[in-house]
Amino acid sequence: EDQVTQSPEALRLQEGESSSLNCSYTVSGLRGLFWYRQDPGKGPEFLFTLYSAGEEKEKERLKATLTKKESFLHITAPKPEDSATYLCAVQAEEYGNKLVFGAGTILRVKS
Amino acid sequence: DAGVTQSPTHLIKTRGQQVTLRCSPKSGHDTVSWYQQALGQGPQFIFQYYEEEERQRGNFPDRFSGHQFPNYSSELNVNALLLGDSALYLCASSLAGGDSPLHFGNGTRLTVT
Repeated sequence: EDQVTQSPEALRLQEGESSSLNCSYTVSGLRGLFWYRQDPGKGPEFLFTLYSAGEEKEKERLKATLTKKESFLHITAPKPEDSATYLCAVQAEEYGNKLVFGAGTILRVKS
Repeated sequence: DAGVTQSPTHLIKTRGQQVTLRCSPKSGHDTVSWYQQALGQGPQFIFQYYEEEERQRGNFPDRFSGHQFPNYSSELNVNALLLGDSALYLCASSLAGGDSPLHFGNGTRLTVT
């Protein structure tokens, strides 16, 4: 059973068309939820850490929010350079120190 | 400030061979983790090293082994390579303390033929 599920698998947006990516998780004892951006042929680049329900973090056009069962990555007025795969990962008491990743959402922003 | 560096960037091996991948952590980081990322999937945890000891291991066979050196750099060794070992191998470093975010290198692309 997948512990971390991301949706949609792929998303195509026009430049300036805002949207949200979803990450749902079923772990207990959440210690942190992490968002990463991954460009083709590169390693994941750290974006945000969220620790508790209700927490929000912002960076440029991105805002991450967290509830007890899911996290959203909101993208406001995206640009073509925001095209990438967005990964979420959870760290939980039951996992120890490891991160458990979702499969990612592939975002394409067209001008 | 150098980030996480991995070598080599690409590698082609034959089934049954052995491979060693190398990683230098971000300056100031003391913990190294290794992940395997298959095409179209999220990274899967292999193991984590801290103070030259394997601190935690994921669901990977004993063919996968590692080492951490006194300067915090690390190696991942895979023996008896299988076709299914073809993947992007990512090294990530962090500070000890559990919740420190991982900083990833750009990985080694391993192809097993």
